[in-house]
Amino acid sequence: DARVTQTPRHKVTEMGQEVTMRCQPILGHNTVFWYRQTMMQGLELLAYFRNRAPLDDSGMPKDRFSAEMPDATLATLKIQPSEPRDSAVYFCASGLQSGGARNEQFFGPGTRLTVL
Amino acid sequence: AQSVTQLGSHVSVSEGALVLLRCNYSSSVPPYLFWYVQYPNQGLQLLLKYTSAATLVKGINGFEAEFKKSETSFHLTKPSAHMSDAAEYFCAVTEIQGAQKLVFGQGTRLTINP
Repeated sequence: DARVTQTPRHKVTEMGQEVTMRCQPILGHNTVFWYRQTMMQGLELLAYFRNRAPLDDSGMPKDRFSAEMPDATLATLKIQPSEPRDSAVYFCASGLQSGGARNEQFFGPGTRLTVL
Repeated sequence: AQSVTQLGSHVSVSEGALVLLRCNYSSSVPPYLFWYVQYPNQGLQLLLKYTSAATLVKGINGFEAEFKKSETSFHLTKPSAHMSDAAEYFCAVTEIQGAQKLVFGQGTRLTINP
C-alpha cells in the first residue's frame, strides 16, 4: 500500500527552536510538494521539487524556512528559528510527472506544529 | 494567475439529500481541476479530477463533478448524502501546461444532519 509518510505527526516546540519535518514520497514519484494549512490562510504551497531539484519556493519565508531533498526517498522542511505564527499543519505530497501528463498529488497525513 | 473560489464555507444537508458544493475557477490557460476531501486530522484524499477528457467526471464514494467552461465552474455533487460524507472539501486547479502546483480554494465544510 503505497503512501506518503511524514514524521513527526505532532510537534510542540518553543519559539526560537529549530524544527525539522520529514517526508518520504511514494516510491517512483518524481515531484514533491510542501503545503501549509492554517485556519486563516487555508492551504498554501510552500515549495516543490521535481527530480529532487527545487522548482518553486516562492511561497516560503526564505529567512527562516528551508526545504531540501537529500535523496529521492527523503524531503525535509526546516524552520529556524521557529515563531508562534508558524503553528500550522504541514503537508507533504508527491506525484509523478511524466512528459506532459500530470497526475494527481498524493498527500501525507501531515505534521501538526505548535510553536509556543 | 489561477484562482479558485468555493461558495459557502459551510454546507449542511440532511442524510439522503442532494449534496452540491460549488467551485468556480479562474485560469488564463486550460486547467486541470480536482476535488479533494479531508477528514478530521487526516491528509487530503483525491475524490476526482478533470483532465480535459469527459466533462462529467465520476469519483469515489458516489461523487461526481461537471466541468462547465462557459461558467468556469466545477461543482461537486452527490445524489444522496451519507453520514460518512461529513468532511472538508477542497477544489483545486492547476495548469495543463507549465507548473504542476495546485492552487486550492478555501474549502467547504460539509455537515450531514441525521
